Amino acid sequence: QSALTQPASVSGSPGQSITISCAGTSSDVGSYDLVSWYQHYPGKVPKLMIYGVTKRPSGVSDRFSGSKSGNTASLTISGLQPEDETDYYCCSQTSSGTVVFGGGTKLTVL
Amino acid sequence: EVHLVESGGGLVQPGGSLRLACAGSGFTPSDYWMNWVRQAPGKGLEWVANIDEGGRTKNYVDSVKGRFTISRDNAKNSLFLEMNSLRGEDTAVYHCVRSVLGEGAYWGQGVLVTVSS
Repeated sequence: QSALTQPASVSGSPGQSITISCAGTSSDVGSYDLVSWYQHYPGKVPKLMIYGVTKRPSGVSDRFSGSKSGNTASLTISGLQPEDETDYYCCSQTSSGTVVFGGGTKLTVL
Repeated sequence: EVHLVESGGGLVQPGGSLRLACAGSGFTPSDYWMNWVRQAPGKGLEWVANIDEGGRTKNYVDSVKGRFTISRDNAKNSLFLEMNSLRGEDTAVYHCVRSVLGEGAYWGQGVLVTVSS
């Protein structure tokens, strides 16, 4: 049950696009289209941004998009805004029925 | 409107026990898997356990297997986490989460568990 691998930090300027990767294995990310992404401001409840690899819940900006290739999922944020600066987590179903999160990525908007 | 409210947290000595509860409202519990997710101070999110809609299938992260037990009472829309043999590394905010991977994901505000002598 190893955590999914995310970069510790990414950064970008307002208006730019950034991508956060989430590397798993053939026993989790690679086997299921059950990857979600959460936005988490410290002290707040995590907010679901993407589910089912590519789907956006109602109310989430279309600046946020998800994708997957092999064992790696990705979250892309386009048109970066200052309020996007916070922590992002991926999570995935695993073949053993458990769920695994990534270590989290801190996004800095320069 | 959906609500999830956790209770039962607090300070406990290493080796001790606690029972967390999560009271749900605004949804039909038998429609959803339920989860416990924790966040230790200064650390990331860690999934702890889940239970299927009927309470038959339960899964745990390796670090809590044999020590924690998840259960639910759909008649009362309640979720529980029995925690035994607690360790310092179990110190965290514990969140009750509906359908952590799906569109219907919903998180409670969380309850703090502190394991310390």
